[in-house]
Amino acid sequence: EVQLVQSGGGLVQPGGSLRLSCAASGFSFSGYWMTWVRQSPGKGLEWVANIKEDGSEKYYVDSVKGRFTISRDNAKNSLYLQMNSLRGEDTAVYYCARATNGRYGRDDYWGQGTLVTVSS
Amino acid sequence: QSVLTQPPSASGTPGQRVTISCSGSNSNIGSNTVNWFQHLPGTAPKLLIYRNNQRPSGVPDRFSGSKSGTSASLAISGLQSEDEADYYCAAWDDSLNVYVFGTGTKVTVL
Repeated sequence: EVQLVQSGGGLVQPGGSLRLSCAASGFSFSGYWMTWVRQSPGKGLEWVANIKEDGSEKYYVDSVKGRFTISRDNAKNSLYLQMNSLRGEDTAVYYCARATNGRYGRDDYWGQGTLVTVSS
Repeated sequence: QSVLTQPPSASGTPGQRVTISCSGSNSNIGSNTVNWFQHLPGTAPKLLIYRNNQRPSGVPDRFSGSKSGTSASLAISGLQSEDEADYYCAAWDDSLNVYVFGTGTKVTVL
């Protein structure tokens, strides 16, 4: 059974840092692009970043470029999102997802979501 | 601000057919395939349609997708109460080098 189990959310002050993790099981993790998506309160889904199977390609939405870093450890079947210089507008539920069609999406399995709250 | 535009809401009575549009441009829908997601509050999004019109295993055939030029559509036939949710289109944008979600459509079953 494919599973994506997320951890690492919580409350952080503006300007602070947080690292989200997504542990994958039930499939060959190293054979798939992976994605982070978020939903801020009262807003729609927003794609945040994705990463190629071997980590050699990464793409980010403009609003997080230079502040967030997506990475993966294929030996540990894990995906990460390092979030620095956090702002209030980064407050959201963050989801990891498996992208079956490379950078083109087809995100067929999703994590349970983790809440990140940026507030003083 | 999303580059894929959807109507904010759609509604129908049980059994009716509802169609949701997704308008983009040559750099996203016009060049790449479209995916559709169903999202219920407090749960993870669910892939409904991929590659414009393909249904993943387990998705009822009441859901169908189509694409023409720079626009795409999701149709829900035989509307059921459990279809009440938010629906999003998504596609890769070659100009922006990002994956974009549509603005989202809230479907209400009257």
